[in-house]
This record gives sequence, structure tokens and C-alpha cells, in this order.
Amino acid sequence: DSGVTQTPKHLITATGQRVTLRCSPRSGDLSVYWYQQSLDQGLQFLIQYYNGEERAKGNILERFSAQQFPDLHSELNLSSLELGDSALYFCASSVGGLGPRTGELFFGEGSRLTVL
Amino acid sequence: DAKTTQPNSMESNEEEPVHLPCNHSTISGTDYIHWYRQLPSQGPEYVIHGLTSNVNNRMASLAIAEDRKSSTLILHRATLRDAAVYYCILRGSTTSKLIFGTGTLLAVQP
Repeated sequence: DSGVTQTPKHLITATGQRVTLRCSPRSGDLSVYWYQQSLDQGLQFLIQYYNGEERAKGNILERFSAQQFPDLHSELNLSSLELGDSALYFCASSVGGLGPRTGELFFGEGSRLTVL
Repeated sequence: DAKTTQPNSMESNEEEPVHLPCNHSTISGTDYIHWYRQLPSQGPEYVIHGLTSNVNNRMASLAIAEDRKSSTLILHRATLRDAAVYYCILRGSTTSKLIFGTGTLLAVQP
């Protein structure tokens, strides 16, 4: 158990819909990261937040957005869903947010999204 | 982000040592070498990291070449539980995100 909690574990929805994935980081961790893993793309970095502020952005689509709340939990919002958005979405957390002080990343078990 | 090159797959026998290679010829002086692994149906987990010197922990050892252009993750006695995809990742001193490549799929035979 990494200490990172993701909900829901599984989600099935239809094209055009909107979903929200939730992540609670490990106690004391200030950074939250979102990754997408699909069969053809591997693990893709989406976005990082550090203490409520966006710190780094990766290959995140405009239809996707995220935020980190004052209690440090984070939500990833996916809208206008397409078949290709079906994937495992991982959240990770770390103590720090920059370079060597970051520490290791702890990953949750993921949320599996299926878009029909 | 500097790139790493790893073999797509490797095989090992249970209870034998495993050496997983990684090439990173464009590594910069401030890049740390990180290894993560992903067991089936799980999120990635940290294995080990280092900068210049060889590193040991309870999971593995990391041997870093003197010129830092390559490194090797060493599992001293492979178990069936070590079957996973192993990722070698470079992380710069001004970032904290990890950019994953395709990794090495390690199969462990009983």
C-alpha cells in the first residue's frame, strides 16, 4: 500500500460525457502528479501540482483539467470523452516539488476509465 | 528531457542475479538516474536512484558507469515477484516529474 488513494477504481461511461477522478496523496506529501497509461502510449505524464499551484504540464489535452485543493487532494476532470480516452489514470505524490528535494514518487493503484 | 535506452525484454531464472542495463549517453551533469518498476495491474513503484556513485538498498543495487553514460540495475536474487516492467528514468535538478519510456519487461522463470 503506497498511501495514495484513488477513486473510483473503475468507471464506465459513454462518449461525450464528463468524469472526475479523485486522488488523496500520502500524508505530508505536497506534490501530486497525474499520469495516463494506455496500451499504445505507455505511461504519459499529464500534470503536476505542488501545494495547490500548477508546477509542470505534460501532454494534457485541453478537454482535461486538474486542480489541487487546500487539503492537498487533487481531482482530474475529463470532459467530452472520446473512445481514445479509455485508459488507466494514475495519481502519484511526493514530499517535495523540485529536483533532488522531491523524493520518490508514490503511485496509487489507478482509476480504470472505459469509454463506450 | 534526456533519453534512456533499455532492452524491450529480458528473462531470468528464479534465485539468480539479474542485470538490467540502461544507456543514457546524453545525460547532463545534474541528472539523477531513477529506476521504477511496475508489477502487473499495479502502479509504478520506486526501486532506487543515484547520481554518480553506486547505490544499494534493500531492493536492488545501482551501478553507474564512470562516465555516467550508462547504468545497470542489479537484482541480486530474482524471485517470481520481481517479474515486472523496469523503467530507467533521468530526472533533472530543476524538475520533479518523471518521464517514463517503454522500459524492460523482465520475465522470471521458476
